[in-house]
Amino acid sequence: DSGVTQTPKHLITATGQRVTLRCSPRSGDLSVYWYQQSLDQGLQFLIQYYNGEERAKGNILERFSAQQFPDLHSELNLSSLELGDSALYFCASSGQGWENTIYFGEGSWLTVV
Amino acid sequence: QKEVEQDPGPLSVPEGAIVSLNCTYSNSAFQYFMWYRQYSRKGPELLMYTYSSGNKEDGRFTAQVDKSSKYISLFIRDSQPSDSATYLCALYGNNRLAFGKGNQVVVIP
Repeated sequence: DSGVTQTPKHLITATGQRVTLRCSPRSGDLSVYWYQQSLDQGLQFLIQYYNGEERAKGNILERFSAQQFPDLHSELNLSSLELGDSALYFCASSGQGWENTIYFGEGSWLTVV
Repeated sequence: QKEVEQDPGPLSVPEGAIVSLNCTYSNSAFQYFMWYRQYSRKGPELLMYTYSSGNKEDGRFTAQVDKSSKYISLFIRDSQPSDSATYLCALYGNNRLAFGKGNQVVVIP
């Protein structure tokens, strides 16, 4: 158990809908990262937050947004869903510096039908 | 050219063999190098990390980094069926972690 908690574990929704994925980082970790993993693309970095502030942005679509709340949990919002958004979405967390290593949650499986 | 290149081809080896995996990268901003192991689409777990060129050993695992060639490797000695998983290289720099596509390794008893 990495200590990073993600909910829901599985989610099936229709095209055009909106979903929210939730992540609780390890206790004390200030950084939260979101990744998308699909069969053909591998792990793709979406976005990172550090102590509530956006720190780095990767290949995140405009239909997607994220935030980190004062209690450090984070949410990834996916809207106007398309079939191609079906993937495993991982949250990861780390401490103040990278040396504290990055720990992944078990992921949220999203299926868009 | 992608930032991190890892030939995603599957790899099958007999039990006890040495597994050799590698990645290349193009961006010198990457300063820290890691290998993650991922079972059956579970969350990746950190195997090894290093920030300097050279070798680092941890049990049956050896990570090798050559910053001048922008080339990293992972060797698994005396491979076991429990090593069957997907192995992803990861590079950290500029506040983000970039992954290779991963190699699926199957160790055949």
